[in-house]
Amino acid sequence: GENVEQHPSTLSVQEGDSAVIKCTYSDSASNYFPWYKQELGKGPQLIIDIRSNVGEKKDQRIAVTLNKTAKHFSLHITETQPEDSAVYFCAASYTNTGNQFYFGTGTSLTVIP
Amino acid sequence: DAGVIQSPRHEVTEMGQEVTLRCKPISGHDYLFWYRQTMMRGLELLIYFNNNVPIDDSGMPEDRFSAKMPNASFSTLKIQPSEPRDSAVYFCASSTGQGSTDTQYFGPGTRLTVL
Repeated sequence: GENVEQHPSTLSVQEGDSAVIKCTYSDSASNYFPWYKQELGKGPQLIIDIRSNVGEKKDQRIAVTLNKTAKHFSLHITETQPEDSAVYFCAASYTNTGNQFYFGTGTSLTVIP
Repeated sequence: DAGVIQSPRHEVTEMGQEVTLRCKPISGHDYLFWYRQTMMRGLELLIYFNNNVPIDDSGMPEDRFSAKMPNASFSTLKIQPSEPRDSAVYFCASSTGQGSTDTQYFGPGTRLTVL
């Protein structure tokens, strides 16, 4: 089955700096890669996703890149703000799993004012 | 849309008691997922349903855990008897299933504490 690894497990940045979180996956059949943000006491919320036919996707300060050859994808947050502090999860999914997601272990991001 | 609704939000019970967690998926979503989240193991998929039918329950830890989906708008996860190691946050999520790679929308979770 699919195996998703996520790094780093914790990340601290100064407000205004950029943050990058990286994930790798093992199954080349994976074709959908969502990123979730989980704030304290809440459920994970989708912030951005990318499909395998696209190499990069942006939404304001957030971007995701995908390298299918290397089987890795990354989340980029620019101009970080204190409200970006949360735990971020990557996931991978592919056709044969019937919509099952394989999640990374999470990255705790702290933005220091 | 109200999103995925879970109840209760917090549950404290004593070891040996039965616990029932409830979930109402987003209307029109065909897939429903139950996850458990702990610091040690992260997000674990317990079971998921498609059109009310359980598809994969390989993540259910023991026979003490059971899940049902009697209709498209309601699902339960039951633990009987509960044990302290079952303490965790349990999430329900749903998706449209309009293809095999559709976004899952999570509920707010139920924080379970078993004393």
